[in-house]
Amino acid sequence: GQNIDQPTEMTATEGAIVQINCTYQTSGFNGLFWYQQHAGEAPTFLSYNVLDGLEEKGRFSSFLSRSKGFSYLLLKELQMKDSASYLCAVMDSNYQLIWGAGTKLIIKP
Amino acid sequence: NAGVTQTPKFRVLKTGQSMTLLCAQDMNHEYMYWYRQDPGMGLRLIHYSVGEGTTAKGEVPDGYNVSRLKKQNFLLGLESAAPSQTSVYFCASSSGPEGEKLFFGSGTQLSVL
Repeated sequence: GQNIDQPTEMTATEGAIVQINCTYQTSGFNGLFWYQQHAGEAPTFLSYNVLDGLEEKGRFSSFLSRSKGFSYLLLKELQMKDSASYLCAVMDSNYQLIWGAGTKLIIKP
Repeated sequence: NAGVTQTPKFRVLKTGQSMTLLCAQDMNHEYMYWYRQDPGMGLRLIHYSVGEGTTAKGEVPDGYNVSRLKKQNFLLGLESAAPSQTSVYFCASSSGPEGEKLFFGSGTQLSVL
């Protein structure tokens, strides 16, 4: 079957750096997405990786290793507003998105 | 700049009642989706549409029906609500399937008693 694994919850301190990991086993691969979802709100797009390597976008970076079935989202200079759930999703060979259950990130002052 | 508009935001139904959720997008997107989100689980695709007049089943289609009569609208219907359909429902749209990000509506919290 198809599976996306991410930690359920993580805690970090304001101003620090946190890495949220995502491992996947899917039928084919056509890209990996990260979305941010604040409590009670809709998911919003953060990043998309289809080739191996690191994509940097401001304070957020996303890394992909297709051979290892692994990605991470790196958040730098954490702010209180970064408290949210972070959803990893992989597009399989049929261009269907398979979603992880999300990682709830708690930022402490 | 509306994006994806979803109504209603909250709804309470009794078992056996029917309802329709409306999703509208103003971005001229071809693809539209209905997802449900339950605690501890990833988003699950209910139905989707790749263009006006087309619909297709997703991962969890049973108990739901959809229609895409106009390109900008995608309706989700529950004919006979069950407590198992208590969930948060999200509509989303995209310009295509390949690497295109999804734009989500604000969600509908549905409770079936």
